[in-house]
Amino acid sequence: DVKVTQSSRYLVKRTGEKVFLECVQDMDHENMFWYRQDPGLGLRLIYFSYDVKMKEKGDIPEGYSVSREKKERFSLILESASTNQTSMYLCASSLTGAHGYTFGSGTRLTVV
Amino acid sequence: KQEVTQIPAALSVPEGENLVLNCSFTDSAIYNLQWFRQDPGKGLTSLLLIQSSQREQTSGRLNASLDKSSGRSTLYIAASQPGDSATYLCALNSNSGYALNFGKGTSLLVTP
Repeated sequence: DVKVTQSSRYLVKRTGEKVFLECVQDMDHENMFWYRQDPGLGLRLIYFSYDVKMKEKGDIPEGYSVSREKKERFSLILESASTNQTSMYLCASSLTGAHGYTFGSGTRLTVV
Repeated sequence: KQEVTQIPAALSVPEGENLVLNCSFTDSAIYNLQWFRQDPGKGLTSLLLIQSSQREQTSGRLNASLDKSSGRSTLYIAASQPGDSATYLCALNSNSGYALNFGKGTSLLVTP
């Protein structure tokens, strides 16, 4: 089975800090995604990547950046964390657009 | 843009009942549709993946159907159990992009 691993289950950071959320998948998938999930708003796409060093903005990219230096790793960066970035962050991967998606267990980030 | 709607938003049933969760979408040009389960505070677990050329998929007590012409999918759960209590999410992969479009989910409670 494909495994998508997010490095932290829970994080607490201070306003203004630079925050790195890491995601690693072990099945050579081409596509990787970062979503955030908020009550009442559902899952919203932040960024995705369809190849190494390639990235595309999703629906809500403001305040975030990403890095994909290796195929298996996709990092989400909060340049200067703010309280409105408190959320559940979910990473996913897929082999191609026609295949199913596998999600990680999520990172609950709290910015204080 | 693809709009995905899940009705009802919440559902409570006694153990043993058969139940149907609904998902509707506005654009029938899709690669596939995927049903996920999410337990509180956790990531998403894939339940069933239906390709656009398929009509249904089955796994154990779960059966998912897809009718592209009417823009609908249903998830049928037979003989529900308290362990089925979770939020169920429907997501579509449209031909026009890479990323999944999610509904906001149905929160299911199965009471003993």
